[in-house]
Amino acid sequence: DTGVSQDPRHKITKRGQNVTFRCDPISEHNRLYWYRQTLGQGPEFLTYFQNEAQLEKSRLLSDRFSAERPKGSFSTLEIQRTEQGDSAMYLCASSDYEQFFGPGTRLTVL
Amino acid sequence: SQQGEEDPQALSIQEGENATMNCSYKTSINNLQWYRQNSGRGLVHLILIRSNEREKHSGRLRVTLDTSKKSSSLLITASRAADTASYFCATDARSSGSARQLTFGSGTQLTVLP
Repeated sequence: DTGVSQDPRHKITKRGQNVTFRCDPISEHNRLYWYRQTLGQGPEFLTYFQNEAQLEKSRLLSDRFSAERPKGSFSTLEIQRTEQGDSAMYLCASSDYEQFFGPGTRLTVL
Repeated sequence: SQQGEEDPQALSIQEGENATMNCSYKTSINNLQWYRQNSGRGLVHLILIRSNEREKHSGRLRVTLDTSKKSSSLLITASRAADTASYFCATDARSSGSARQLTFGSGTQLTVLP
C-alpha cells in the first residue's frame, strides 16, 4: 500500500456514458498526476496538478476529459461520452519527489 | 510517447538466478526510476537514481546509470518466484519543466520459475 487510493477499482460502462474516477493522494504531497495505461504498455502522462492548479495537460487529454483538484486535496478525472478506445487503467500518483502510484481504476467501455 | 525502451521485453529465469533488465532513453534526465507492477495492479516504486549518480543499491536490487549512453540497468539478485512481475523504467526528463512527469518504457515481463 503506497498511501494513494483510487476509487472505483473497476468500472464497466457503455459507450457514450460519462464516468468519474477519484484519487486520494498522500496528504502531505502537493503534486498529483494522472496517467493512462493500456495493455502491454507503460503508463502515459495525462495531466499534473500542483496543489489545486492544473499546470500541465498532455495532448492525450481530449476535450472529453476533465480533471479537477478542489482545495488541493483529492482529485477527480471525468470522461464524457466514453468511447471503446478509452478502455484502459487510469493511474493516479502523488509526489514530493518520487512518485507513488495508486492501485488504478480499470475502465472497460462496452 | 514512450521515451524509455526496456530490453528484453520478456525474461524467464529459474529461482535463485540473477535477472538483468536494461533501459534506454532519448533525452537528458533529472533522474531515472524503476517500478514494478504485478498483473492488473498499480506500480510499486523500487528505486530512484539521480543523473549525477552511477550506481545505487537497495536490498537485492542494483541499478546503474550511464548518462553518456542514455541507458540504465536493473539487476535483481537471487530471484524469487514472488519477483515475477513487469518492470518499468521511467525518466524524469529535464525538458518536462516544473511538471516533472514521468515517461515510461513498455516494460520487461519477468517470470521467475520455482
